[in-house]
Amino acid sequence: GAVVSQHPSWVICKSGTSVKIECRSLDFQATTMFWYRQFPKQSLMLMATSNEGSKATYEQGVEKDKFLINHASLTLSTLTVTSAHPEDSSFYICSAVDLTANVLTFGAGSRLTVL
Amino acid sequence: DQQVKQNSPSLSVQEGRISILNCDYTNSMFDYFLWYKKYPAEGPTFLISISSIKDKNEDGRFTVFLNKSAKHLSLHIVPSQPGDSAVYFCAAGWAGTASKLTFGTGTRLQVTL
Repeated sequence: GAVVSQHPSWVICKSGTSVKIECRSLDFQATTMFWYRQFPKQSLMLMATSNEGSKATYEQGVEKDKFLINHASLTLSTLTVTSAHPEDSSFYICSAVDLTANVLTFGAGSRLTVL
Repeated sequence: DQQVKQNSPSLSVQEGRISILNCDYTNSMFDYFLWYKKYPAEGPTFLISISSIKDKNEDGRFTVFLNKSAKHLSLHIVPSQPGDSAVYFCAAGWAGTASKLTFGTGTRLQVTL
C-alpha cells in the first residue's frame, strides 16, 4: 500500500533556529500533500496544502513566512519552521494522496520541541 | 469554528463489548467521512470511510453509520479488543478529489480486560 515517510521523527532545537521536516511518498507520486499540526489532546489542524511545482496554499491564521513549504518533486514536500520559538513546539504530520488508488495516507509525524 | 465535533473525549469499554464513537458535523457540504485511529507519537491510520450516498459501511469489526439529516456519524467496533485502545478521529471532506480534511477533536478509547 501507499507509504508516506516523515523525517525526522523527533527534533529538539534552540529558540531562533530553523528546522526542516521532510515528507516523502515512497511508492507513489503525490502532486498534493497536506501539512497538519497537533497540540496535545487537540485535533489535527490543517496548516497548508502543498502543491508540486507551485506555491502552497495556507490556511487562515498560518504564517506563510514562518512555515515555509516546498514541494519540489512529486515525492517530496518539506516544511521549514523558521526562527522557531517554544510555542511552535508541536506534532507535525503530513499526508499525501495517491490518486491512482484514491487513498490519503499519513506520515508517522514529527515531534518538534523548541527550547 | 469547529465544523467536526467529537463530544466525548474518552470512552471506556470492556473487552468483547461494543464500542460506539460519535461524531457530529455542521457543514452540510461535506460528502465524505472517514475514521482514523491514532496511537501516541504516530500518524493517523485510516480505518473506514463512508460517502454521503450511503448510510452504512461495514468492514470486519468496524461499521460506520451516517445520518445525514442529523449530520451525525458513528463508528461501531464489535467485539472490542484491547488492541483497539487508541484515539479515534473522525474527519470530513469532499469525495473524489485530493481534498483537505477537517478533523474532529478525537475520542480516546480504552478497552479493558
